[in-house]
Amino acid sequence: DAKTTQPPSMDCAEGRAANLPCNHSTISGNEYVYWYRQIHSQGPQYIIHGLKNNETNEMASLIITEDRKSSTLILPHATLRDTAVYYCIVRVVRGVNDMRFGAGTRLTVKP
Amino acid sequence: DAGVTQSPTHLIKTRGQQVTLRCSPKSGHDTVSWYQQALGQGPQFIFQYYEEEERQRGNFPDRFSGHQFPNYSSELNVNALLLGDSALYLCASSPLGMNRENTEAFFGQGTRLTVV
Repeated sequence: DAKTTQPPSMDCAEGRAANLPCNHSTISGNEYVYWYRQIHSQGPQYIIHGLKNNETNEMASLIITEDRKSSTLILPHATLRDTAVYYCIVRVVRGVNDMRFGAGTRLTVKP
Repeated sequence: DAGVTQSPTHLIKTRGQQVTLRCSPKSGHDTVSWYQQALGQGPQFIFQYYEEEERQRGNFPDRFSGHQFPNYSSELNVNALLLGDSALYLCASSPLGMNRENTEAFFGQGTRLTVV
C-alpha cells in the first residue's frame, strides 16, 4: 500500500470547518483513500472512503485531487466531540483487508 | 447488533507469561484482523484471518499467533511476553472475504495489555 503524509497536529474553532490534508503521491490506480479517526483510547472509527470522485456522507466530505496524489477530509461544522486523531490510509480494496496506519493528525477542536 | 466485541478490556501480565485475547466480529463479517497500538502511535497490522486461516502477516515475531473459529470469532495469542508488548490490541472485522470487494473495517474497543 502507498504511504501517506499528514501534519502531526491541527487546531480548529468549534463550529468552523476542519480541513485535514493528506499527501499520497505514490498512490496506485487501484488504491482507495480511506479516513478513520480515533477518539482517545477507543477503537478507530470509519469516516469515509473514495477512489477518485469526491464523496460526502453524514460525517464528512472527501475531496481527492484530479491526479489523486492528495486529498482533504472536511468536517463541515466541527464540534468538541470531533477532537481525535485522524488517519488517512490508502489501500487496495479487493483482497486482503489489512490497513497500514501512519501517525495521523491530532485534531483539537477549541471552543 | 453488538458490533465488534473484544475481551477482556484490560489485562495485566508478568513478563514471560502467555496471553490470549478474544474477538467476536460484527454480525455478517467473516474476516478478522488484529492490530497492536503502542502509546502515541498508530495501529500496526499483526495478521488477518479468513476461512480459519492466516492470510497475511505484518512484521511481528512468531510469538504472536492466532486462530479463527468456524463462527468467525478469533483469538490472538502472545507467548513469552516482553515489556514492549504492552499496548492496546485492536480487532477489526470486515463484511466480505478474499475475492470480493471489501468496504470499511469495523474496530472493537480494544484490549489494553500491560506487561510488568
